Amino acid sequence: QSVLTQPPSASGIPGQTVTISCSGGSSDIGSNYVCWYQQLPGTAPKLLIYRNNQRPSGVPARFSGSKAGTSASLAISGLRSEDEAEYFCATWDGRGGVFGGGTKLTVL
Amino acid sequence: EVKLLQSGAEVKKPGESLKISCKGSGYNFTKYWIGWVRQMPGKGLEWMGIIDPEDSDTRYSLSFQGQVTISVDESITTAYLQWDSLRASDTAIYYCARGGQQIVNEAFDIWGQGTMVTVSS
Repeated sequence: QSVLTQPPSASGIPGQTVTISCSGGSSDIGSNYVCWYQQLPGTAPKLLIYRNNQRPSGVPARFSGSKAGTSASLAISGLRSEDEAEYFCATWDGRGGVFGGGTKLTVL
Repeated sequence: EVKLLQSGAEVKKPGESLKISCKGSGYNFTKYWIGWVRQMPGKGLEWMGIIDPEDSDTRYSLSFQGQVTISVDESITTAYLQWDSLRASDTAIYYCARGGQQIVNEAFDIWGQGTMVTVSS
């Protein structure tokens, strides 16, 4: 059971905006930066968002992150078929890193 | 180009030992933490531990403390993950990833390709 709670699945149609939530507590999300990873089938995870809302170079502006209190969200606007993947949130809990359970995004 | 290149797939028997590797290139290896992440078949990501290549300061998740050993050889810019006695439940893909620049709780910005470890009698 993951420390951070994510919905197991999400879906949307091309062009739509989808939001994935990540819920934690005061000792993890509440006290640390949140990041988000995208994992396409059969590949290694890729960093999408770091420090709550920062995008590494090369990540499209369609991906955005936010954090409020002990929860965080990843928004994907202008949904595309290639966004179909699993998304994981992550943060630190004082001792080490923690991941969310992952959200499988389906593009209908 | 910044890269982490992991060693190849392994098939082992329960009770055997194993050491897998992760070689960094294209950046100053000693300046960035290196972490290890487990992904069991069909499951999510699990944070295992992280090491500072500069002084070998190592932090383990409680779930993996005492179960694995993380080490580094900075002379060959390589990090390692090892088991003394494997179990079937260690079957998984193991990823190494580059962490923060001298900051332990940063995101992993570069990932290795993963090493598949299969433990079966």
